[in-house]
Amino acid sequence: GAGVSQSPRYKVTKRGQDVALRCDPISGHVSLYWYRQALGQGPEFLTYFNYEAQQDKSGLPNDRFSAERPEGSISTLTIQRTEQRDSAMYRCASGLSAADTQYFGPGTRLTVL
Amino acid sequence: SQQGEEDPQALSIQEGENATMNCSYKTSINNLQWYRQNSGRGLVHLILIRSNEREKHSGRLRVTLDTSKKSSSLLITASRAADTASYFCATDALQASGTYKYIFGTGTRLKVLA
Repeated sequence: GAGVSQSPRYKVTKRGQDVALRCDPISGHVSLYWYRQALGQGPEFLTYFNYEAQQDKSGLPNDRFSAERPEGSISTLTIQRTEQRDSAMYRCASGLSAADTQYFGPGTRLTVL
Repeated sequence: SQQGEEDPQALSIQEGENATMNCSYKTSINNLQWYRQNSGRGLVHLILIRSNEREKHSGRLRVTLDTSKKSSSLLITASRAADTASYFCATDALQASGTYKYIFGTGTRLKVLA
């Protein structure tokens, strides 16, 4: 079946602009996670949801970052007033539950000029 | 420091040899997962091992978990050039709030020489 999809795959934006990154999880998956990955590093936890409820947002770097999953399916990670240090690969993963295997999407490569 | 820390950071072996990577963690966990990533591409799930399990196999992969030592190992037997990738462990770390969240290590970069 279809895996986790993310869009856009690449996003180039200018410093100060807002960006919205989308994640479409595997159908039926309850848990959805957002990570950020720098080159040569492991994924860094940002936040996760069970259904539409945001369970943990302790990994969000600051208040410019927010995420939502209003209907318990698609999720959007929004970065306001982007800065160059926000440039990274943003990855989404979903799982049947919080304690189960996570399946990753292809990621969105964000470049802030 | 990272919840999950893999060692070695880099490993280079000849095709046909076995590769062993280790992961250490700090807090209580429900499960531990191993992932593979080729050259900055997507993360592919390899194995999930639960805290009440000690060993799991999947094809040429063997994972062990020692909760008393808070460590896990991933063994790849009869390695192939196609196994060249970065390998990450991820643990669902218990937080002070009582919830769990997944923490990834920094990874082991494996290079298998043909």
